[in-house]
Amino acid sequence: GNSVTQMEGPVTLSEEAFLTINCTYTATGYPSLFWYVQYPGEGLQLLLKATKADDKGSNKGFEATYRKETTSFHLEKGSVQVSDSAVYFCALNPVGGSNYKLTFGKGTLLTVNP
Amino acid sequence: EAQVTQNPRYLITVTGKKLTVTCSQNMNHEYMSWYRQDPGLGLRQIYYSMNVEVTDKGDVPEGYKVSRKEKRNFPLILESPSPNQTSLYFCASSLNYGPYEQYFGPGTRLTVT
Repeated sequence: GNSVTQMEGPVTLSEEAFLTINCTYTATGYPSLFWYVQYPGEGLQLLLKATKADDKGSNKGFEATYRKETTSFHLEKGSVQVSDSAVYFCALNPVGGSNYKLTFGKGTLLTVNP
Repeated sequence: EAQVTQNPRYLITVTGKKLTVTCSQNMNHEYMSWYRQDPGLGLRQIYYSMNVEVTDKGDVPEGYKVSRKEKRNFPLILESPSPNQTSLYFCASSLNYGPYEQYFGPGTRLTVT
């Protein structure tokens, strides 16, 4: 079956530090890949997405590149802010076949200190 | 405003007492899902629906039922809740299945004693 593996947290950084959260996946074909963010007490919201190999999704200074050869979709940001403190989820939507389930990683808690 | 609403937001109940958590979206989305979020386990899909009267099991369907009689509504039913169903529940919808983002509701925190 499909699966998503994220680096385990929590991750604690100082403001303006560089962020990487690793995400690798297992799926057949060419799934669509997503990063969602969950701020405290809220539902998840889309951060960025990529729908085919070598696509780069970007939003709010965050980036992730769809790497088919390494089955990865790592999230990066050059300079984090306190307001980026949240839980980050990597997710995939399979494409094709009869599998319509969506798969999420376990989430990575990021805390950014001033 | 485009949104997914869930009710109630908080619920404390006792083992065996049937309950329903409602979910409604106003975006005319085809695909809807229910998830539960548990510490250390992340987000797991309970049931999903591709359209009206079309539903299927996700990864953790045991103990839950759903229905999709109207496109906008997708209620989650716990016929006989048990303490292991204590969790944070999210409803979500998307335009369709595939490369489309999901829009999440605000969550329902359920405690079963």
